This record gives sequence, C-alpha cells and structure tokens, in this order.
Amino acid sequence: QKEVEQDPGPLSVPEGAIVSLNCTYSNSAFQYFMWYRQYSRKGPELLMYTYSSGNKEDGRFTAQVDKSSKYISLFIRDSQPSDSATYLCAMKETSGSRLTFGEGTQLTVNP
Amino acid sequence: DVKVTQSSRYLVKRTGEKVFLECVQDMDHENMFWYRQDPGLGLRLIYFSYDVKMKEKGDIPEGYSVSREKKERFSLILESASTNQTSMYLCASSRDRVLYGYTFGSGTRLTVV
Repeated sequence: QKEVEQDPGPLSVPEGAIVSLNCTYSNSAFQYFMWYRQYSRKGPELLMYTYSSGNKEDGRFTAQVDKSSKYISLFIRDSQPSDSATYLCAMKETSGSRLTFGEGTQLTVNP
Repeated sequence: DVKVTQSSRYLVKRTGEKVFLECVQDMDHENMFWYRQDPGLGLRLIYFSYDVKMKEKGDIPEGYSVSREKKERFSLILESASTNQTSMYLCASSRDRVLYGYTFGSGTRLTVV
C-alpha cells in the first residue's frame, strides 16, 4: 500500500465550479502538508503549505488537513480554465528533508 | 525568485549511451533531489543530496548515479541508458528541513531509443 493515496482522475469541471481534490495517508508522523500545481510540460510549483491540522486560505484556494482521519483536501472556488493542471499533494515528517508525494490529480476546467 | 535550472528540456539518446542530466540552483539550498515522473506512477525519488559530496539513495536508484561536487550543482548520470529509462526527469532543491517545500526545475524529457 502506498503511503499517500491520491485519485489520479482525470477530473473535468465547468468554469466556475467548486473543485475538491483529496489525499489520504497512512503515516501518522506526517506534520507538514503541501499542494503543488504542475502545468503540462512544466515542473511542479508550490501552491499551498500547511502545518499540522486546520485550514489555510489563499484567494480562491483553501487547504484543509484532518490529521485524525489522515485526510487532506484542496478546494478551488470559482474555478478558471487557467486552473487546468495536475495537482499533487505532498507530506513530510517533522524530521528529515524528504517529501512523500501523491500520484497527482489531473484537472481540466472547461470554459 | 529561486531558480532551478535543468540543462536540457528534451533529450534523445541511444540505448547503452552514458547520459548526464545537469541541474543548477541559485539560492544556496542545502538539499537537492532527482525524481522521475511517469504516468500512473507519479514522482519517484532516484537520489538526493543534503550536502556537497553527500548522496543518499532514493526509491529507485538502480541504473543511476549522481554527483555533487559543488553546492549549486547536482548531476544525474545514467550509466548505460535503457529504453525503460525513458521518462520525465525533475530536479528539485530545498533549504534544510524543507520548511517551505521544494523548488522544482522545468524537467528534462528523456527518450531512449
């Protein structure tokens, strides 16, 4: 079983929809949680970063962490065609430098 | 802006060739990483380095080696390229303890024929 599970999609939504992207994990030592966005033929870029449980909001994006359920989510409000990309979750324990990534979810927002 | 620069966007090499992929970062980051990314498999860690001349094996080091002679440069070497090494290769760097995540390069799309 993978340490981090992420539905690869693809996910297709109309412009303006609310998008929910999710990851589950098995390692209870994970404390740092991130979301990366990767456009086609580009490297991933850091989108959101949270520590431990709770919510974090940045414009149209909200990241949620529920450590009791070992579940993290990324919500995109008022989705735009420019949000079309692959979204990867990533996690890290308190010690060490290594991130563990989900497989990535491919999102398409249709005009 | 932190920049991680990979020397080539696209490469085509023949089976059995020795291949060098170069990565340079300009923000004095301690840690550097090499991943490959394949459909259905996600990002898989090949090697990483937390200091000059230091290296650690990742999850799939077989068929690869690395070199880090200077802090800013981390090279991935395919000793004898094979067709199953056709992939997207991504380099990343981070500060120690990765409090703010990795910065990735744009990737090198390697095709081995």
